[in-house]
Parts: sequence; C-alpha cells; structure tokens
Amino acid sequence: ETGVTQTPRHLVMGMTNKKSLKCEQHLGHNAMYWYKQSAKKPLELMFVYNFKEQTENNSVPSRFSPECPNSSHLFLHLHTLQPEDSALYLCASSQETGYGTDTQYFGPGTRLTVL
Amino acid sequence: QQQVKQSPQSLIVQKGGISIINCAYENTAFDYFPWYQQFPGKGPALLIAIRPDVSEKKEGRFTISFNKSAKQFSLHIMDSQPGDSATYFCAASWGAGAQKLVFGQGTRLTINP
Repeated sequence: ETGVTQTPRHLVMGMTNKKSLKCEQHLGHNAMYWYKQSAKKPLELMFVYNFKEQTENNSVPSRFSPECPNSSHLFLHLHTLQPEDSALYLCASSQETGYGTDTQYFGPGTRLTVL
Repeated sequence: QQQVKQSPQSLIVQKGGISIINCAYENTAFDYFPWYQQFPGKGPALLIAIRPDVSEKKEGRFTISFNKSAKQFSLHIMDSQPGDSATYFCAASWGAGAQKLVFGQGTRLTINP
C-alpha cells in the first residue's frame, strides 16, 4: 500500500450504531487530519494530530471521537450520528516542518450514510 | 473572517481555452494559499501553492495570480484539456505547525473536447 489509505470506503449506519473509520499513511509523516466533505459545504477541517497529539478540534460534536495511537494510524469513532452527518470523510497526512507550507496528502475518503 | 469565498461554482471551457477560478479572503493572517484538484472517487491533491510575498507563480499550464491588497487570488489553467476536468478548491492557512486549511466551496470544471 502506498500513500494514504482509508477503510471502509463506504459505510451505512443507523443513528444508534457505533462504527469506526480507519486511516493509515505510508509516507512517514508526523501530522494527520480528518476532514468532512458535504455536498453543500466546503471541506471542513475536523481534527488535527501532530506527533500523535491532538492540536485542533474544530468545534466538532462529541459524537465524533478521534484516536491517534501512532503517527501512521488515525481513527474516527462514530456513535449516535444524525442524518446530517452523512458525508465523505477524508483523512490527510503531512510532514510538519514548522514553515506552514507542508503539502497535505489525502486518502480517497469514506462515504458515510446515516439512516 | 475565516472563510474563503470561491467562484464560480461550475465552469465549462472549450479545449484549448483558459480556465479561470477566483478566490477571496478576509483574514489577513493567512500566509499560504494552495490549490487542490479533486477527481471523482479520489481525495484532493495539491496542484500549486503560493505565499503572499509573490504576485504570481507558474507551474506548467497552471498559474496562481495573487493580489494581496485586494485579498484575492486566482487559478489560471492555460490550454485547458479534457483531462483537467475536475473539481478545484482554493484554500488558505496561517502560522507554523500542522496546517489548518480553510477551503473554498469548490469549482467543478468541465473541459469540452
């Protein structure tokens, strides 16, 4: 596997289910990100992890819970979601250099449908 | 103030023509402006980026023009090809450390053969 991989690619869940999205980066990067891409809204940054430490939580509801066990893996745990949470969830990684010009590499995303 | 406004939402250009997508921002703290390209079923990929200390950056057929005083920047695609058909996003970020990108709404570009 190369680049940034995400599993599953598609997920349908009920509002009472608990599921997790997985992201793995094979690029040796030290920063990882979760984004939400909805049809009617711009890409929204949800969480940022730098060296496994969460550095940003962009006012995301607590029904989304991120986990970063190491710098290569990132999870998004989902519970009690709402239909408006249906979206494409994208993971990205970058090599944080301190200059703010790092390229973010995105995975293909998980298409989530909440019934 | 954290928004980046992008226009148009969709654009149709004939093969060989010039595609122009515009973005505007309010936050003067932004200091990095990348453009991302996204094909269906794929995640966005960095296309080209600029810092506000230059007014233009060119990479092949892709050029960013940057107007700091107007707080606007644009992507020009010269000699547009059908393979350029994709959704394009402008973005902005500020400061050091792991980037916190703010994205525009996206432009769906179609190049007619």
